[in-house]
Amino acid sequence: NAGVMQNPRHLVRRRGQEARLRCSPMKGHSHVYWYRQLPEEGLKFMVYLQKENIIDESGMPKERFSAEFPKEGPSILRIQQVVRGDSAAYFCASSPRQGLEAFFGQGTRLTVV
Amino acid sequence: AQTVTQSQPEMSVQEAETVTLSCTYDTSESDYYLFWYKQPPSRQMILVIRQEAYKQQNATENRFSVNFQKAAKSFSLKISDSQLGDAAMYFCAYRVKGGSEKLVFGKGTKLTVNP
Repeated sequence: NAGVMQNPRHLVRRRGQEARLRCSPMKGHSHVYWYRQLPEEGLKFMVYLQKENIIDESGMPKERFSAEFPKEGPSILRIQQVVRGDSAAYFCASSPRQGLEAFFGQGTRLTVV
Repeated sequence: AQTVTQSQPEMSVQEAETVTLSCTYDTSESDYYLFWYKQPPSRQMILVIRQEAYKQQNATENRFSVNFQKAAKSFSLKISDSQLGDAAMYFCAYRVKGGSEKLVFGKGTKLTVNP
């Protein structure tokens, strides 16, 4: 059973471009969490999704950020019109259901130049 | 709001010795989980140990153990017989039971193991 797969591992975008980060949860996992890790910081919760539904987006910036987890395919975290402050490592975690441990992917490091 | 504080930005230990990493948290909830995660240079977040708040017995996983003081809201990690592979960032985290069950992390402690 493959772990949580995130791609790309590294992503470089120029200011104003769009960034798309993908997360394929572990097989059988229908719950996905996205976290952001700024340099020298711990992970900060962004959004919690179940298949086709956003359950908790209390950590998402109000503008430019969106997330989805369609019925088929990976979860996508989308950042429009990126700025330098978006440079960070973005982690995805998945679990089979609420109340069980979530497993983390290796993260995507986004660099905005 | 729940917060997690790790007061030691960096710690070092000699190989084979014991080191304790500190963590305090603030919550008004009574039922929750506490975790220690290890993040090596590969960036992979690895769960080291977990504690359920209603369990008085401290969790242990091989060389890793915790000292959970619920009244003091303290949750320290003890690493015994430290190995070079233990060198990493260590993050303390909290999660309330129910709701979205999102994790709240501290800022981390960088552990260096000296040969």
